[in-house]
Amino acid sequence: TQLLEQSPQFLSIQEGENLTVYCNSSSVFSSLQWYRQEPGEGPVLLVTVVTGGEVKKLKRLTFQFGDARKDSSLHITAAQPGDTGLYLCAGASSGGSNYKLTFGKGTLLTVNP
Amino acid sequence: DAGITQSPRHKVTETGTPVTLRCHQTENHRYMYWYRQDPGHGLRLIHYSYGVKDTDKGEVSDGYSVSRSKTEDFLLTLESATSSQTSVYFCAIPGISGYTFGSGTRLTVV
Repeated sequence: TQLLEQSPQFLSIQEGENLTVYCNSSSVFSSLQWYRQEPGEGPVLLVTVVTGGEVKKLKRLTFQFGDARKDSSLHITAAQPGDTGLYLCAGASSGGSNYKLTFGKGTLLTVNP
Repeated sequence: DAGITQSPRHKVTETGTPVTLRCHQTENHRYMYWYRQDPGHGLRLIHYSYGVKDTDKGEVSDGYSVSRSKTEDFLLTLESATSSQTSVYFCAIPGISGYTFGSGTRLTVV
């Protein structure tokens, strides 16, 4: 069974601060996805990283995939209250016609005004 | 956005009763998934389908069954609901680069 460990589990910061969320595994994934979930809604895809060492930027969010494709990080610069939510990483394993995701337990981020 | 809807959004049921949750998609996708989300456990795969009448178990399938008689509908049934099945249930379909999730069904078993 593939496992994804996310850290920290909870994070409460002030508006304007920077933060990093980590997603680690002992398994290799074909791709790594990041989702954000707001209360009462399903997770929404933020980004997918595919290549080892890949860095993607989405406004103030920077996503990195580890060289060995076993870990990833999400860095938020100058956090805003609108960034509040549950951040989930998910690793994709593919084989044949199957396509399944393994999810981390999530990081609950609260950005205080 | 992909069309995926879940019903009902909320349900309270009694222990021992059967419950069916519905997921409907308009994307004609082969794959559909059912997850449950619980505090401290994250999202866990219950069952998935890779085509009409083709389903397989996930990591937490005990106590659940599924059916897929049409491409667009994937049903999750709790044969005899237990309090441990109180959870938020999400349906998902794969997209080009990730999953699209429904808005979830909050199920409470009392």
